[in-house]
Amino acid sequence: AQRVTQPEKLLSVFKGAPVELKCNYSYSGSPELFWYVQYSRQRLQLLLRHISRESIKGFTADLNKGETSFHLKKPFAQEEDSAMYYCALSAGNFNKFYFGSGTKLNVKP
Amino acid sequence: DAGVTQSPTHLIKTRGQQVTLRCSPKSGHDTVSWYQQALGQGPQFIFQYYEEEERQRGNFPDRFSGHQFPNYSSELNVNALLLGDSALYLCASSRGQGARGYTFGSGTRLTVV
Repeated sequence: AQRVTQPEKLLSVFKGAPVELKCNYSYSGSPELFWYVQYSRQRLQLLLRHISRESIKGFTADLNKGETSFHLKKPFAQEEDSAMYYCALSAGNFNKFYFGSGTKLNVKP
Repeated sequence: DAGVTQSPTHLIKTRGQQVTLRCSPKSGHDTVSWYQQALGQGPQFIFQYYEEEERQRGNFPDRFSGHQFPNYSSELNVNALLLGDSALYLCASSRGQGARGYTFGSGTRLTVV
């Protein structure tokens, strides 16, 4: 069965410090992995997807099929990065997501 | 473009009652998917509507049902409400059934007392 695990409920870092939000998944096939972000009082929005291999707002994520991980990284955190981050997996016919339970990132000044 | 619109924003119901939540998709989108997000958890897929039919369903009981109208808007109905149904209900629309193109609404917060 498909499963997405985000082991940290809360991650606090100081401004300028590196950030890594962990995501592990279980799926036997070839899934697509995504990161969604929810800023305070805003709706859930797509941050990035592994197939695009892009960097959004300084964030990157590499799909590691051997370790079944899709960790989100940013070299220098900013206060405006404080938000809830969800890792999501789409598989099979790719018409639905399996979400992790989310990690709250708190960037302190 | 107003994006995905959900109504109402908040709702309080009594255990055993029935509730209907509504979703208007983003302009140009024809598919609506519903998710339940319990407190402290990630969203969980309920079902998806495309061409006015339920196309895929998650692990939710038959008390959860839905409908899609010719204008692509959708309703989520929950019968015989339980305390455990208290959650944020999210609607996501897309063009076609792929999840890659999702746009999420702000959700309806349902509290069952």
